[in-house]
Amino acid sequence: DIQMTQSPSSLSASVGDRVTITCRASQGIGNYLAWFQQKPGIAPKSLIYAASNLQSGVPSKFTGSGSGTDFTLTISSLQPEDFATYYCQQYNSYPYTFGQGTKLEIK
Amino acid sequence: QVQLVESGGGVVQPGRSLRLSCAASGFPFSSYVMHWVRQAPGKGLEWVAVISSDGKNKYFVDSVKGRFTISRDSSKDTLFLHIHTLRPEDTAVYYCAKAKYSNSWGGVDYWGQGTLVTVSS
Repeated sequence: DIQMTQSPSSLSASVGDRVTITCRASQGIGNYLAWFQQKPGIAPKSLIYAASNLQSGVPSKFTGSGSGTDFTLTISSLQPEDFATYYCQQYNSYPYTFGQGTKLEIK
Repeated sequence: QVQLVESGGGVVQPGRSLRLSCAASGFPFSSYVMHWVRQAPGKGLEWVAVISSDGKNKYFVDSVKGRFTISRDSSKDTLFLHIHTLRPEDTAVYYCAKAKYSNSWGGVDYWGQGTLVTVSS
């Protein structure tokens, strides 16, 4: 199985900041990488597919990049509604696997 | 608009079985690959299973192989997850999710709200 490792596991930032979350795959996955946002008690929301493409309705403050084994999610100009947990997921091969999550907290 | 509504969760004793449902609307259900993902309390997301649009191909995470089955009824636009011989470690919120593109094994776009399964005696 492909292992997905996110860093950091948690991150404190202020409103207006720009942050970057990293996701590393244990083997190459091309660009078959998605990012999700989840708030407590709510279902995940799809943000990005194919490493860098925004899902419909997702604001352009979210930027994904990378290919192969190393990927990043950058969120610019943080707003209160952006503080949540973020997950990456590879969908190159089954079983699809998620990173352990990055909890973004308000400083 | 796309809607996915899970149901069937509850408190169940270890060793019993349960069937979860996911009612789909707002898109041509029979053309889309469908997934189940679960999340144990306070833990991260775990992909569980997938079924092809025609129901003929299925994949599971190793930890549930032999105990979980996935099926679909396209006449009712409904996805199912049958969980047999429930274990305490199956306690989780179970989400269904649809593939982004029709007849594609790729990633997902829409998620349901989830249904909680609690395995306890």
